[in-house]
Amino acid sequence: DGGITQSPKYLFRKEGQNVTLSCEQNLNHDAMYWYRQDPGQGLRLIYYSQIVNDFQKGDIAEGYSVSREKKESFPLTVTSAQKNPTAFYLCASSVVQGSNQPQHFGDGTRLSIL
Amino acid sequence: AQSVAQPEDQVNVAEGNPLTVKCTYSVSGNPYLFWYVQYPNRGLQFLLKYITGDNLVKGSYGFEAEFNKSQTSFHLKKPSALVSDSALYFCAVRDLTGGGNKLTFGTGTQLKVEL
Repeated sequence: DGGITQSPKYLFRKEGQNVTLSCEQNLNHDAMYWYRQDPGQGLRLIYYSQIVNDFQKGDIAEGYSVSREKKESFPLTVTSAQKNPTAFYLCASSVVQGSNQPQHFGDGTRLSIL
Repeated sequence: AQSVAQPEDQVNVAEGNPLTVKCTYSVSGNPYLFWYVQYPNRGLQFLLKYITGDNLVKGSYGFEAEFNKSQTSFHLKKPSALVSDSALYFCAVRDLTGGGNKLTFGTGTQLKVEL
């Protein structure tokens, strides 16, 4: 089945440590997105990419980094500069062309601080 | 800037009764509106969308939504609620800034359907 796979499902970070969240899709979508979800705040966009080797900052990019070396993959690194990383992280993908296409989501990674 | 508001943090309804989850929007130009549902520790699932055309949009699992341009609303409805409909519901609007297909989400409404 086509879909989006996020791993790991749970992740723990130590102080001063960088951690990387994986996101892979086999939907042949050009665009990919990373969101952060906190209780009562909805989803906030961290980074997005519309094409390989290109990405743009979203609303809350500070303390995060991404790469887009392959169409299928869009990993997110939570750096030590992100002082409050505890959250549920969601990856999504969509076609780029056409404003009427929904985004498809993975099942998320829950990140906590040790 | 595009935005959506979900004025209710939680909605409680008895099984078999109709349900409504409210959403209002603010956009410049034509709105592209979406509803998603999220079950615990899962990603979001697409329910339905409004682009143009009929103001009543039908979607998955018996849900529908009514677009009202004069009231800038896009409320989610279902004629008869099920306990299994209990979940977190998000309204979203397409964000036209910077191109692409970005979405701006509301803060979510927790729906609880009780026996």
